[in-house]
Amino acid sequence: AQTVTQSQPEMSVQEAETVTLSCTYDTSESDYYLFWYKQPPSRQMILVIRQEAYKQQNATENRFSVNFQKAAKSFSLKISDSQLGDAAMYFCAYRKIFGNEKLTFGTGTRLTIIP
Amino acid sequence: EAGVAQSPRYKIIEKRQSVAFWCNPISGHATLYWYQQILGQGPKLLIQFQNNGVVDDSQLPKDRFSAERLKGVDSTLKIQPAKLEDSAVYLCASSLVTSGRQNEQFFGPGTRLTVL
Repeated sequence: AQTVTQSQPEMSVQEAETVTLSCTYDTSESDYYLFWYKQPPSRQMILVIRQEAYKQQNATENRFSVNFQKAAKSFSLKISDSQLGDAAMYFCAYRKIFGNEKLTFGTGTRLTIIP
Repeated sequence: EAGVAQSPRYKIIEKRQSVAFWCNPISGHATLYWYQQILGQGPKLLIQFQNNGVVDDSQLPKDRFSAERLKGVDSTLKIQPAKLEDSAVYLCASSLVTSGRQNEQFFGPGTRLTVL
């Protein structure tokens, strides 16, 4: 079974600074998707960034980028120029690409932005 | 494009009562998911529908939880009778297809259930 681990329950960062959230996972699949979702207090899960395992290039979306280390099964999220609106729970998630597979989530990291 | 709609947003009930949640997915999305998110944890899949058929309900406590998706569109999740440990946020999500590279899941705002 696939597992996703987020070892940082809480993180904080000064506004405009950079922060990195960690995630590790376990799978026997060779191709899969990894995601970072943001969940603000409104509770709606918002997709931040997606990485496909067979692509070696790390995904980037504006201020958000990932460091994907396939051999180490590590998938960290870097947020640059942190803004107050980035404050939220961040969840790392895994999904197989083919087959009826659900999203498997980690336990989340609560990110606080310090003005 | 309208997103995934859920109601109610909040619900408070006594244990042993019943409760129902409603979800309206994005128009045209064939696949619908119900997730349970207990405080301090990530969401866990309860049930997955492809159109109006069940694809995966292995994590659904079938002695008390039931779900249906009539006509392959809206879905209802019911708990009867509720237990204290059912207190959680219930998230509905939908996707265009079930698997493959186009399977991005879009989430609704969730229903927060408190069982007293």
